[in-house]
Amino acid sequence: EQLVETGGGLMQPGGSLRLSCEGSGLIVSSNYMNWVRQAPGKGLEWVSVLYHGGSTYYADSVKGRFTISRDESKDTLFLQMNRLRVDDTAVYYCVRSRFNTFDLWGRGTLVTVSS
Amino acid sequence: NFMLTQPHSVSESPGKTVTISCTRSRGNIASNYVQWYQQRPGSAPTTVIFDDDQRPSGVPDRFSGSIDSSSNSASLTISGLKTEDEADYYCQSHDSSSYVFGTGTKVTVL
Repeated sequence: EQLVETGGGLMQPGGSLRLSCEGSGLIVSSNYMNWVRQAPGKGLEWVSVLYHGGSTYYADSVKGRFTISRDESKDTLFLQMNRLRVDDTAVYYCVRSRFNTFDLWGRGTLVTVSS
Repeated sequence: NFMLTQPHSVSESPGKTVTISCTRSRGNIASNYVQWYQQRPGSAPTTVIFDDDQRPSGVPDRFSGSIDSSSNSASLTISGLKTEDEADYYCQSHDSSSYVFGTGTKVTVL
C-alpha cells in the first residue's frame, strides 16, 4: 500500500493550488482520508478529513479556504487550497486514518507561499 | 477544541529509559484514544503506539504507552534506548470532528 501526493509548488499569497493524492494497493475512496501538514522545522498539523461516507471536516486555520474532495472514477483525493497565505507553507501529507490512527502516510509534497 | 502539550526535548544515554508526557488541555484524556508517532528527519511519521497502549506489529516492545487520568496526560516510554530511537515523537488524539497532534518532542540519544 502506498500514497503519492502531487501538485505542490511555489505560489504567491492569495493564489490557489490543488493537491492530488493517488493510492496504490488500496482504494482511496473506501477509506477515511486526511491531509496533514508540517511547516518547515515545525510540528504536525491536521488539516482536513474526508470520510468514506462523504462527510468532511477542517481545521479552523483552513476552514473556508481549503476544500477536500475525491474523484471516485480516478480514485484520487484532492485538496483545493484558495486564498493561500504565507503561513500555509508546509509539506502536505496525504494520510489514511483507521479508527482514529493515521496508519498510512504519503511522502508529502511541498507547498511554498511567498511573494 | 483542545491542545496536547509535550516537552520540547528529552535526552538520555543508550540503554537508559525516557518517558515523554502529553498533557491534554481540556476534556478527559481517557475519553479518546491516544496515538504516538515517530518521525525521523526527512521521513513521514510512523505509528509506534495506537489506542493508548497498543503496539503495531514490527514495533519493538521497548516502546510502551499509558494514560494517567489524574494528570490528564498520556505517556510514551522508550526503554533500552538505541541510537536509532533518536527522532521526533508526536502524540495525537481526537474529538468529535477534528484531530489534534501534540507539540512534539525531540529525543536525543547522547
